Amino acid sequence: DIQMTQSPSTLSASVGDRVTITCRASQSIDNWLAWYQQKPGKAPKLLIYKASNLESGVPSRFSGSGSGTEFTLTISSLQPDDFATYYCQQYSNYPRYTFGQGTKLEIE
Amino acid sequence: QVQLVQSGPELKKPGASVKVSCEASGFPFTEFAIVWVRQAPGQGLEWLGWISPFNGNTNYAQYLRGRVTMTTDTSTTTAYMELRRLRSDDTAVYYCARVALTTPFDIWGQGTLVTVSS
Repeated sequence: DIQMTQSPSTLSASVGDRVTITCRASQSIDNWLAWYQQKPGKAPKLLIYKASNLESGVPSRFSGSGSGTEFTLTISSLQPDDFATYYCQQYSNYPRYTFGQGTKLEIE
Repeated sequence: QVQLVQSGPELKKPGASVKVSCEASGFPFTEFAIVWVRQAPGQGLEWLGWISPFNGNTNYAQYLRGRVTMTTDTSTTTAYMELRRLRSDDTAVYYCARVALTTPFDIWGQGTLVTVSS
């Protein structure tokens, strides 16, 4: 199975900061990568699909980039509602999927 | 609206089985697949398996083979995930989600807490 590795595991930042989370795949997944946001006690929410496409209703301060094995999620100006845990996920190997281990974004 | 609604929390003893349901509405059930994902307390997301309501085809995570069975009932647009021989490390929130060939998990159920404890 394809392994997904996220970094960092934890990220401390302040409102207004620009932050970047990285996700690496153990083999090429083209651009079949999604990013999810999860808040405590809630189901994950799809933010970005096909590496760089914003899901409907997701604020434009979120953006994704990358292809092959290296991907990034960027939040251009952190808002209070953005403090959550973020997961990347490959869906290249349909129907077998894998997630990164998650990045917890904390208030500094 | 488009949604997946899961069954309520479960408390099971080690060695027992649990069956979680996921009722779909607001979209053509057989045009999408359903996946199951779990999250142990304080841990990340773990994919468990996939089922196509169209033909019943399944694909399970290797480490669960032999213990998990996923099914669907197209007459009630409901998906089921049964996990057998439960262990304490199966304690987790179990989610169902909708997926298609070229799209990731865009609609999620609210989650079902399964607690395994003697």
